[in-house]
Amino acid sequence: GESVGLHLPTLSVQEGDNSIINCAYSNSASDYFIWYKQESGKGPQFIIDIRSNMDKRQGQRVTVLLNKTVKHLSLQIAATQPGDSAVYFCAEEGQRNAGNMLTFGGGTRLMVKP
Amino acid sequence: EPEVTQTPSHQVTQMGQEVILRCVPISNHLYFYWYRQILGQKVEFLVSFYNNEISEKSEIFDDQFSVERPDGSNFTLKIRSTKLEDSAMYFCASRGQATGVNEKLFFGSGTQLSVL
Repeated sequence: GESVGLHLPTLSVQEGDNSIINCAYSNSASDYFIWYKQESGKGPQFIIDIRSNMDKRQGQRVTVLLNKTVKHLSLQIAATQPGDSAVYFCAEEGQRNAGNMLTFGGGTRLMVKP
Repeated sequence: EPEVTQTPSHQVTQMGQEVILRCVPISNHLYFYWYRQILGQKVEFLVSFYNNEISEKSEIFDDQFSVERPDGSNFTLKIRSTKLEDSAMYFCASRGQATGVNEKLFFGSGTQLSVL
C-alpha cells in the first residue's frame, strides 16, 4: 500500500556537523513533500517543502533533495545546532481536490551533542 | 507568524465521557484538519473540513467522532464516548488560500487527551 517511511529512528550528530535525515516513499503519485520538525510537547513545525517538479530546494541552513527515480527524500541540515534537536517527520501529499491530507512518516529523532 | 491555537492543552476524562477539543485556525484559512499522534508514533490524519463540510476522513474517524465549525473562528472535534485507545495528542491544522492544494499546513500545539 501507500506509505511514507524513514530509514533511521535516531540520529546523533556533533554540534557543527551536517545532518542528513532520509525518507522513502512508495506512492509514485505523490507530488508534494514536506519536512516537519517536532519538539517535545509541540505541534509539527514546517521546515521546508518541495514539489515533484523539483529535485532540490534550499532554505536557511536546510536543503531538501528529492529523487523521484528511487522515491527518496532527504533533509540536510548544515552546521547542526543544539536547537535542531527534535523529531523530524517527512510527509507527502498527492494531487487531490480540497481536503488534501498529509501522510506522515514515522519520524527520526535528531540528537545534537555539544 | 500567525498561529493555530488549541484549548485545552491537556484534557483528562473518564472512559465513556464526551470530550470537545477546541481550535482556532488562522483567520483567513479555508481548510481545517484534525490529526492525532499516539505517544511514540507518527502523526495520523483524522479528518479534513472545507466549506462547512467534511472533505476527507480516515478509518480512525468513526461515528464516535464529529467536527463542527460553530462560528467564524472556532473548529471543534468531539469524541462522543471516549475509549482508552483515544488517548493521544490531537493536533488541529489549517491551510489557506485559493485551492488548499500543496499549501503550507500550520499546526497547533496540540491537546493531550488522557482517557482513564
